[in-house]
This record gives sequence, structure tokens and C-alpha cells, in this order.
Amino acid sequence: NAGVTQTPKFQVLKTGQSMTLQCAQDMNHEYMSWYRQDPGMGLRLIHYSVGAGITDQGEVPNGYNVSRSTTEDFPLRLLSAAPSQTSVYFCASSYTGGGTEAFFGQGTRLTVV
Amino acid sequence: AQKITQTQPGMFVQEKEAVTLDCTYDTSDPSYGLFWYKQPSSGEMIFLIYQGSYDQQNATEGRYSLNFQKARKSANLVISASQLGDSAMYFCAMREVFTGRRALTFGSGTRLQVQP
Repeated sequence: NAGVTQTPKFQVLKTGQSMTLQCAQDMNHEYMSWYRQDPGMGLRLIHYSVGAGITDQGEVPNGYNVSRSTTEDFPLRLLSAAPSQTSVYFCASSYTGGGTEAFFGQGTRLTVV
Repeated sequence: AQKITQTQPGMFVQEKEAVTLDCTYDTSDPSYGLFWYKQPSSGEMIFLIYQGSYDQQNATEGRYSLNFQKARKSANLVISASQLGDSAMYFCAMREVFTGRRALTFGSGTRLQVQP
């Protein structure tokens, strides 16, 4: 009963490096999303997907790319890491209905130095 | 304008007492859902309770209840009989069905500390 699995849990990057945060879910959810959590600001939506092959931008998309080739996987790519991207990243999945809760991964704590 | 407002950055409550965490929201979508999540110090996001905009009765889940006042656009979380394990950050969130990308929009959170 894995739910939503994010890897890695911790990562330190140097400015300008690129990396991919992995997210996988085994609940056959259509809807997947990425959030970042900064102190005092709650969670903000980066990108989201309503199904395989369909992605769109959220509130804070700059500096990030996503793709959704399968229902299960929704990786988040940092193109050229910047210190402003130091944050905790959460992946979430849900059915697309309005009343359905979102299930969250354990989070990835990313530090860009 | 903020869609979800949590005006209490921090709250203290004595063990076994009840506590209310405030949440107000703003939307023009006729259909929406309101959620509360708990984030303990370990960092995971734990779903607590859900209220739909057309639900006539307030939602309850064990010691959690949601005081939904639609006209005032408020969705306060009530925790009865607080326990030490309730110490955590609490986030109010909203999902708009026809607008807002169907994503959850979160408030800034309230840190609850339960004192023995």
C-alpha cells in the first residue's frame, strides 16, 4: 500500500545544477500536482496534470518542467537550480472530483547552495 | 486577494480542552470543497476532514469537526479534547471545481501547541 512515493527525501544542489524529483503513485489517480512549501507561506502549486500527456502551469512554475507519460509517474525537473528554489517539495495525487482528498508524498527537502 | 486566510499564526491549548482554528475563504465558484490537513514536525501532510459547498451538515471525523458557515465564507476546524499529539501545523485548503485548476489552494497555516 505505497500511496504516493517521492524520491529523494533530501538533496543538496549547487547553483546551476539540474535534477529531477521523482513522484509515483499506485492509486490510479488521474490528477497529480507538485507544490513547494516555504516558511510562513503554506503550499503553492508549481505544476499539475489531469492525466497522462496533459500538464499545465500552477502558481509558481518558473524554473520547473514536468511531463506525464504514464498515469503513475509525474517527475519535476529543475532546469538550473537557484538558491530561491530552496524549499520543501510535495507531490500529491487525487481523483479529479471536487470532493476527493489529495494524498501527499513524504516531501523532498531541497537546498540550493 | 488571498483565497484562503488563516489569521492565527500560532495557538496554545491545554490538554483535554477544545480549540478552534479559523479559516476564511474567497471564491466565486458555486461548487467547491474545503479541506483541513495536519502537518506534524515530521513533515508529512495528513488529511483530516472535508466539507463540500453543498453539504447541509457540518462534517465530523472523530474529534475533528468543521464549522461551516457558507454565508460568512468560513470553515473553522474544531478539535475536541486536545491531545499532546495534536501539536502540529494545520492547513486549511480549498478546491474549486469549475475554476482554480482543480488544485488545492492552501492557507498559510496555524501552529497549534498543546500544553500538558
